[in-house]
Amino acid sequence: DVKVTQSSRYLVKRTGEKVFLECVQDMDHENMFWYRQDPGLGLRLIYFSYDVKMKEKGDIPEGYSVSREKKERFSLILESASTNQTSMYLCASRPVFMSYNEQFFGPGTRLTVL
Amino acid sequence: QQQVKQSPQSLIVQKGGISIINCAYENTAFDYFPWYQQFPGKGPALLIAIRPDVSEKKEGRFTISFNKSAKQFSLHIMDSQPGDSATYFCAASTGSNYQLIWGAGTKLIIKP
Repeated sequence: DVKVTQSSRYLVKRTGEKVFLECVQDMDHENMFWYRQDPGLGLRLIYFSYDVKMKEKGDIPEGYSVSREKKERFSLILESASTNQTSMYLCASRPVFMSYNEQFFGPGTRLTVL
Repeated sequence: QQQVKQSPQSLIVQKGGISIINCAYENTAFDYFPWYQQFPGKGPALLIAIRPDVSEKKEGRFTISFNKSAKQFSLHIMDSQPGDSATYFCAASTGSNYQLIWGAGTKLIIKP
């Protein structure tokens, strides 16, 4: 079974703090994604990574950056957390060579910024 | 044109009833239409998917109906059970693009 793990289930931070969210997948997938999930807005793509050291902005990259130094790990960084970044953050991965476009998700990190 | 519009936002169905969630799209280049199911405290997981060369796909109690001319697709859950209570997302993508375009989600509650 594909396993995608996220470093924290719940996180509480203060405005202005630098926040790191970690995601690890164990299936040697090339592509990895960071989404945020807000009620009524669905899943919005923040950043994705084709492969190691490769990244591309998604629909809402402002206020976020990412790092992918190893294939299995994709980090999301909030440079200076703000209250409007309070949300559920979901990481996903997928292999490049797949006959259909299935993404495998981690359990999510619920981040609260006070 | 990249949007996928999903309705309703929430749905309450009696146990044993049929749950129906609808999605509409504009981009005719989309060629893959999955539905994901998300339980509380979990990430979404692929439930069922369809390609536009068929009008219906059934897996157990779950069926996708696809209307290419109307650019709509829907998820039908037959004999709905309390264990089906979850948030459901439709999505779409094109063959050459690994990105999924997501609907806003539907929170389904099945009442015993």
